[in-house]
Amino acid sequence: DGGITQSPKYLFRKEGQNVTLSCEQNLNHDAMYWYRQDPGQGLRLIYYSQIVNDFQKGDIAEGYSVSREKKESFPLTVTSAQKNPTAFYLCASSAGHSNQPQHFGDGTRLSIL
Amino acid sequence: GQQLNQSPQSMFIQEGEDVSMNCTSSSIFNTWLWYKQDPGEGPVLLIALYKAGELTSNGRLTAQFGITRKDSFLNISASIPSDVGIYFCAGTGGGGSNYKLTFGKGTLLTVNP
Repeated sequence: DGGITQSPKYLFRKEGQNVTLSCEQNLNHDAMYWYRQDPGQGLRLIYYSQIVNDFQKGDIAEGYSVSREKKESFPLTVTSAQKNPTAFYLCASSAGHSNQPQHFGDGTRLSIL
Repeated sequence: GQQLNQSPQSMFIQEGEDVSMNCTSSSIFNTWLWYKQDPGEGPVLLIALYKAGELTSNGRLTAQFGITRKDSFLNISASIPSDVGIYFCAGTGGGGSNYKLTFGKGTLLTVNP
């Protein structure tokens, strides 16, 4: 089945540790996105990539980093500089043409130990 | 930046009742999207709207793209228990990057059997 796979489902981070969240899609989509969701909040954009080897900061990029070496993959690293990393992280992709809907994975919940 | 006001924040209804929720924007959008999110999962696209005035249905769901391009509503008819979840509106294509979605904060729907 075509879709977006995020892993792991749950992740725990120790203080001062970097962690990487995986996102893979087999929809042949050009554009990929990372969002953060906190209780009672809408989704906030962290980073997005319109094409391989290119990405842009979203609204809350501080403390996060990404790479886009392959069309299918867009991993997100939560660095130790992110002081409040506990949240639900969602990856999405779209066909990359203007106004095409984004489709989401099932998320990774990150917690601090 | 662009902001979306989604209302109501939450709704408690009886099974069989109709539901209406809406979003208004401080600026225009070229596309309106409605998503539903179940607990611990990613949002699932319900309806996409691409033209001002457009009225689109998906089963018991009906959504409209406002004439001013600054608002949209979603109606659910004859609600059932599986309609429970958080409903998000999202807009894109209005002055910023066509790839960036702006999300409302969601409407939490509870359906009493």
